[in-house]
Amino acid sequence: NAGVMQNPRHLVRRRGQEARLRCSPMKGHSHVYWYRQLPEEGLKFMVYLQKENIIDESGMPKERFSAEFPKEGPSILRIQQVVRGDSAAYFCASSPRLGLAGKVLHNEQFFGPGTRLTVL
Amino acid sequence: AQSVAQPEDQVNVAEGNPLTVKCTYSVSGNPYLFWYVQYPNRGLQFLLKYITGDNLVKGSYGFEAEFNKSQTSFHLKKPSALVSDSALYFCAVSPGSYNTDKLIFGTGTRLQVFP
Repeated sequence: NAGVMQNPRHLVRRRGQEARLRCSPMKGHSHVYWYRQLPEEGLKFMVYLQKENIIDESGMPKERFSAEFPKEGPSILRIQQVVRGDSAAYFCASSPRLGLAGKVLHNEQFFGPGTRLTVL
Repeated sequence: AQSVAQPEDQVNVAEGNPLTVKCTYSVSGNPYLFWYVQYPNRGLQFLLKYITGDNLVKGSYGFEAEFNKSQTSFHLKKPSALVSDSALYFCAVSPGSYNTDKLIFGTGTRLQVFP
């Protein structure tokens, strides 16, 4: 069973360009989370998605950032008009989130290797 | 506000000695607590979690953690450290909400085990 896959592993963009980060969750996992790690800092939650739904986007910047998890294909984190401050490692995690209907079971999240974005 | 504190930026320990990495939390309701480890240029690997039940939780690679409700702590421990344990360790808490199980991370503690 392959783990969480992220690509590209490294991405270099110039200011003003767009960055697209992809995440394929583990097989059987329908819940995806995106986190951002700035240098020498811990991970900060950005967004939580299920297939075709955004469940919690409380950590997403209000502008330029968007995320989706379509019915088919990977989850995409999109950053428009990147600025130097967007340089960071972006991690995706997935979870099966098993449990009774409507009740979170708080399973561990399985993390991908991350995408390191550098904005020149 | 929900938060996690890891008071030590770095912990140094000699191989074979016991190690402790400290974590305290602030969360409303029942906390769900996790420890993850990060090796250089890698993603996070799950070590262990506390959801409910026994306060002493055993996890991967010989690590364990003790949940202390009165002290709001969840310190990570290992009886005998290995050089290969050297890595960055993150404590995390998940809020007790039915809508989201996002993780709130501490700032991390770098563990250095010396031969």
